[in-house]
Amino acid sequence: AQSVTQLGSHVSVSEGALVLLRCNYSSSVPPYLFWYVQYPNQGLQLLLKYTSAATLVKGINGFEAEFKKSETSFHLTKPSAHMSDAAEYFCAVSGISGGYNKLIFGAGTRLAVHP
Amino acid sequence: EAGVTQFPSHSVIEKGQTVTLRCDPISGHDNLYWYRRVMGKEIKFLLHFVKESKQDESGMPNNRFLAERTGGTYSTLKVQPAELEDSGVYFCASSEQALAKNIQYFGAGTRLSVL
Repeated sequence: AQSVTQLGSHVSVSEGALVLLRCNYSSSVPPYLFWYVQYPNQGLQLLLKYTSAATLVKGINGFEAEFKKSETSFHLTKPSAHMSDAAEYFCAVSGISGGYNKLIFGAGTRLAVHP
Repeated sequence: EAGVTQFPSHSVIEKGQTVTLRCDPISGHDNLYWYRRVMGKEIKFLLHFVKESKQDESGMPNNRFLAERTGGTYSTLKVQPAELEDSGVYFCASSEQALAKNIQYFGAGTRLSVL
């Protein structure tokens, strides 16, 4: 079955440190890839998406992600964490078998940022 | 422009009761999706409407769940009778087109607690 794996359900970083949230997918063809963020008591908000254009995708709030086909990965990074980045982050794919445009999500990574 | 709205935001019911969740998509979005997140697990697809028609309902857990979208505007998801394992957060999303690369915009979700 197609799947998305997010390594680390909880990640903690210091303010100003690098943020790295990992996402790997299983698919025989390159899918479309998304990162969503959920702040407390809010809906999922799109951070960025990969749709087969540039492999390095820049999103909102200083986040970016790089699509690596050879590694089937789409890790999310931010050079310098801010307290406001504390939230839960979800990696998702679409365009793979079993439902062309439904999203398949990873389990989520909760990011904590401490002073 | 209003985003995807869901209500109630939180519902607490007893096992065996009926609950109806509502989703209002972004105006003009023909595609409406329902997802569910059971505690600690990944967000899972339930079904997809194109206007008033069910395009894909492969994720619906069983026949206790009934989704409707009369007139192709808002949608309801009814659970009858509710069971303990139905507890979780139910998300609704909408998109303009049903293409895998299109962004799905999410609501804040309805947290359902079945006691």
